[in-house]
Amino acid sequence: AQTVTQSQPEMSVQEAETVTLSCTYDTSESDYYLFWYKQPPSRQMILVIRQEAYKQQNATENRFSVNFQKAAKSFSLKISDSQLGDAAMYFCAYRSAGYGNKLVFGAGTILRVKS
Amino acid sequence: DTAVSQTPKYLVTQMGNDKSIKCEQNLGHDTMYWYKQDSKKFLKIMFSYNNKELIINETVPNRFSPKSPDKAHLNLHINSLELGDSAVYFCASSRNRGPEAFFGQGTRLTVV
Repeated sequence: AQTVTQSQPEMSVQEAETVTLSCTYDTSESDYYLFWYKQPPSRQMILVIRQEAYKQQNATENRFSVNFQKAAKSFSLKISDSQLGDAAMYFCAYRSAGYGNKLVFGAGTILRVKS
Repeated sequence: DTAVSQTPKYLVTQMGNDKSIKCEQNLGHDTMYWYKQDSKKFLKIMFSYNNKELIINETVPNRFSPKSPDKAHLNLHINSLELGDSAVYFCASSRNRGPEAFFGQGTRLTVV
């Protein structure tokens, strides 16, 4: 079974600075997807960024980028120019390729942004 | 024009009652899911339906029964509610060939 580990329960960053959230996963599969979801206090689950395992290039979405190391099974999220609105719980998630497969989530990292 | 909508958003009920949470998606997706987020914020799959067919049923008590009348709707019925059922329940949907899952706003269930 696949597992996802987020080793940082909580992180803090100064506004406008950069922060990196860590995620490792365990799988024997070769075809899968990795995600970062953001959950603000409103509890809505918001997709931040997605990475396909077959792509070597790291995904980027505006201020959010990932460092995907397939051999090391590592998938970290870098947030540049942090904003107050980035404060939230961030979940790393894994999904096998193929239809209907479930998301396997890590335990989450609380990100606090200081002004 | 909410993509995945759940009702109600909040539900407070007494132990032993039966309750339902409804979910509807207007994205044309084929697969729908129920996830449970416990008090420690941990998210775990409960059920998954593809075109009204149950394809994932994790270790969930029989008191929980999903029902999918059509591929745009997936409801969750819970019998004989217990204190431990208190959690946030999320509905989600995805396309067959699309990796992303889109989530509803969640239903906070409190059993007293």
